[in-house]
Amino acid sequence: NAGVTQTPKFQVLKTGQSMTLQCAQDMNHEYMSWYRQDPGMGLRLIHYSVGAGITDQGEVPNGYNVSRSTTEDFPLRLLSAAPSQTSVYFCASSSRDRKTYEQYFGPGTRLTVT
Amino acid sequence: AQTVTQSQPEMSVQEAETVTLSCTYDTSENNYYLFWYKQPPSRQMILVIRQEAYKQQNATENRFSVNFQKAAKSFSLKISDSQLGDTAMYFCAFMKQTNTPLVFGKGTRLSVIA
Repeated sequence: NAGVTQTPKFQVLKTGQSMTLQCAQDMNHEYMSWYRQDPGMGLRLIHYSVGAGITDQGEVPNGYNVSRSTTEDFPLRLLSAAPSQTSVYFCASSSRDRKTYEQYFGPGTRLTVT
Repeated sequence: AQTVTQSQPEMSVQEAETVTLSCTYDTSENNYYLFWYKQPPSRQMILVIRQEAYKQQNATENRFSVNFQKAAKSFSLKISDSQLGDTAMYFCAFMKQTNTPLVFGKGTRLSVIA
């Protein structure tokens, strides 16, 4: 049971490049989400999904796309990277089970855009 | 919209002493969930403790306990017998219902001093 996995762990991009941050979970969780963490800002929600085929925007969605074609995977796409997207990105998942509803986090991806 | 406020950006405590981290939140919901997450230098997000708003009893997990004051919308974390391994960033988080996004505070950096 791997939990929530994220790849890559580190990435450096040039302004204007595109890339996809991968997130997968093996717990059959319905809910998945992406957050970004910036110094002094806590974690802010980018996009989330309550099930395959369903996604919605969070607090800071601009510049990011998501899709949810399977229960297990929830990739985050940066269409044209900007220095303002330099951050640490976390993926999380959870079950609607009222006994085990906490969100489980992946190890994070540190992204630098130059 | 819900907001979470952590008013102490940094705190320090002597090893074996007790420290309390503050958290207040704003919501119009009656039933919801509250969490404390720990983020050590490894940057992994680790759940410390959780509390359901419909439960009056304060949650405890070994050396960690909360003081949940629903009317005051306060959710403080008490760490007893502080250990060097407790040095980390601590985030308070709110969740309206299961399978919905977490709303985070900006965090409190705790240093445990030998």
